[in-house]
Amino acid sequence: DAGVIQSPRHEVTEMGQEVTLRCKPISGHDYLFWYRQTMMRGLELLIYFNNNVPIDDSGMPEDRFSAKMPNASFSTLKIQPSEPRDSAVYFCASTLEGTQYFGPGTRLLVL
Amino acid sequence: AQSVTQPDIHITVSEGASLELRCNYSYGATPYLFWYVQSPGQGLQLLLKYFSGDTLVQGIKGFEAEFKRSQSSFNLRKPSVHWSDAAEYFCAVGVGSNDYKLSFGAGTTVTVRA
Repeated sequence: DAGVIQSPRHEVTEMGQEVTLRCKPISGHDYLFWYRQTMMRGLELLIYFNNNVPIDDSGMPEDRFSAKMPNASFSTLKIQPSEPRDSAVYFCASTLEGTQYFGPGTRLLVL
Repeated sequence: AQSVTQPDIHITVSEGASLELRCNYSYGATPYLFWYVQSPGQGLQLLLKYFSGDTLVQGIKGFEAEFKRSQSSFNLRKPSVHWSDAAEYFCAVGVGSNDYKLSFGAGTTVTVRA
């Protein structure tokens, strides 16, 4: 299995632009999690899905952030408009039987 | 809600020496416990996990961890460290059952000196 796939791996954008991060979970996994990691705040859970349904989005920092999971093999995290403080590494993880498997992350820099 | 404490922010160890990373959790029932490792610029890789059964758990890369209910601890150990073990290590606790959300510790950075 290829593991959790995230794209792009690196993204540099300017403040105010829309950013879309993508995730393909491991086939057969029924949970999908989005995290953000920064030096200051560590690893933060943003939102997670079970069988494509959002379960808890209380970690989403602002209305500028939104996430969707239209099917079992694809999820997006969108930031619109982006701000410099959104610069971070964003991880996607999928879960089977209680164990989370992480993707390689997307390193986002907002100028 | 469950929480995790990793008391050591940074540990330096000599290559070939033993390593122990501490993890304490707060949760009323038996939790699901995990250790992940993150190398610079990489994602988190699962080292080992404990759900139930034998309290001494073997993982990848020669790591092991021991669940001690009386101490609410799940410490990670390796008898002989290699330079490639330099990384950040995260302990995590989950409720399990129908909720697979995890709470992560702040992480311990391990530096290996020659």
